[in-house]
Amino acid sequence: KQEVTQIPAALSVPEGENLVLNCSFTDSAIYNLQWFRQDPGKGLTSLLLIQSSQREQTSGRLNASLDKSSGRSTLYIAASQPGDSATYLCAVPSTGANNLFFGTGTRLTVIP
Amino acid sequence: ETGVTQTPRHLVMGMTNKKSLKCEQHLGHNAMYWYKQSAKKPLELMFVYSLEERVENNSVPSRFSPECPNSSHLFLHLHTLQPEDSALYLCASSQGSARYSYNSPLHFGNGTRLTVT
Repeated sequence: KQEVTQIPAALSVPEGENLVLNCSFTDSAIYNLQWFRQDPGKGLTSLLLIQSSQREQTSGRLNASLDKSSGRSTLYIAASQPGDSATYLCAVPSTGANNLFFGTGTRLTVIP
Repeated sequence: ETGVTQTPRHLVMGMTNKKSLKCEQHLGHNAMYWYKQSAKKPLELMFVYSLEERVENNSVPSRFSPECPNSSHLFLHLHTLQPEDSALYLCASSQGSARYSYNSPLHFGNGTRLTVT
């Protein structure tokens, strides 16, 4: 069964700093990898989706990379802002399984 | 208006009650999902519907009963729940059949915070 791990569980950084969030998965047979953001008391918002054939995907200040062979992905946030404070989750759909496996997330706090 | 709307936002129910959660999507998607989010645990997939047909039941107890009358609406009927069922229940939708729809992003509602007393 696919297992998805996100370390650290929580991270605090001063405003303006660049930061990297990590995601690892045990089964490299995946369709893609997805990054989501969740604000307190809210649902998840899709940020980026990287296909299994891609190495990275960019959206604004966000850049996600994927190394399928090593079972790792990173989410890079440039010039962090207080509005980036949220929990960030990664998720992978495994081939042969009709499921999207989620990590437990990294709670990011950007301090003004 | 958000793409995926869930009602109610909060629900408190006793173990002998019967209640229903409602989800509606306005995105023209044809796959819908129920997820359970408990504290410090990964999101757990409960049910998947594709073109109104249930394609996944992830070993969920029978006290949870889904219903998908059309591609825009999804319900979760609850009866004789246990305190450990207290959680945030999230509905999501996506384009395409469920098996391949993970190639398009899931759109989530804001969830129903359920407390079972």
